[in-house]
Amino acid sequence: QSVLTQPPSASGTPGQSVTISCSGSSSNIGTNNVNWCQQLPGTAPKLLIYNSNQRPSGVPDRFSASKSGTSASLTISGLQSEDEADYYCAAWDGSLNGPVFGGGTKLTVL
Amino acid sequence: EVQLVESGGGLVQPGGSLRLSCAASGFTFGSYWMHWVRQAPGKGLVWVSRTNTDDSSTSYADSVKGRFTISRDNAKNTLYLQMNSLRAEDTAVYYCARVLAITVFSGQAFDIWGQGTMVTVSS
Repeated sequence: QSVLTQPPSASGTPGQSVTISCSGSSSNIGTNNVNWCQQLPGTAPKLLIYNSNQRPSGVPDRFSASKSGTSASLTISGLQSEDEADYYCAAWDGSLNGPVFGGGTKLTVL
Repeated sequence: EVQLVESGGGLVQPGGSLRLSCAASGFTFGSYWMHWVRQAPGKGLVWVSRTNTDDSSTSYADSVKGRFTISRDNAKNTLYLQMNSLRAEDTAVYYCARVLAITVFSGQAFDIWGQGTMVTVSS
C-alpha cells in the first residue's frame, strides 16, 4: 500500500493527451513539492518533473505537471509510442522524514 | 559522464548480511545528498534511506530502521548500504540516487539514478 495514490493504468493513442493523477495528504503533497519520474521497461527511473512543475533539461515540453492542495497531476501531450512506461509521483513526507512514492501508473500507448 | 554504479547485490539467506556500494563519477560526490530506493520484483519504488553530504544526518524507512545503515566515503566517491538481519521482504533491486541540488530543501528530487543491484533473500 503506497502512501501516494495513483491509478494503476492509463492509456491513449498517439497524438492524444493523457493525465495521471497523484493523491496524497497534508504531510506530503499538501506541504511539499511533487516530483515525477518515468521508468521505461527494464531500466532505472528517470526524473521528469521536479518542484511540482519544473522540467530538467532534456525533458520535452510535452511533459507538464501541476499541484493543487493534496493532489498533483502529470500531463503528457502529443503522446508517442516511446512514452509507454511506468510513471511515479513522489513527495517529501514530514511525518516520515523521507520521500514517499505513488504506486506507479503503467501507461500504454495504443 | 555523470554516473552512479551499484554493486554488492546477490543471494543471501534470511538473517544474513550484505553491503551494497554505489560508486559515483563525473561530479563532486561530496556535495550531494544521496538516497537508496528499492523496487521489489513487479512492484513500485520504495524509499529506503538517505544521507546528507557528510553523514551527519541520516534517516530510514520504518521497515529497515535498526537493520540497515547508510554511510558514505567522500574520499572514495562511494555510498554504502549495510544490510543486516535480512528478510524475504527485502528482496528487491536497490538503486542509489542523487538529490538534485536545488531541491535539497524543497522536496529532494532524484536527478541521477544508478542501474540498480539485485538483492535476493531466500533459503
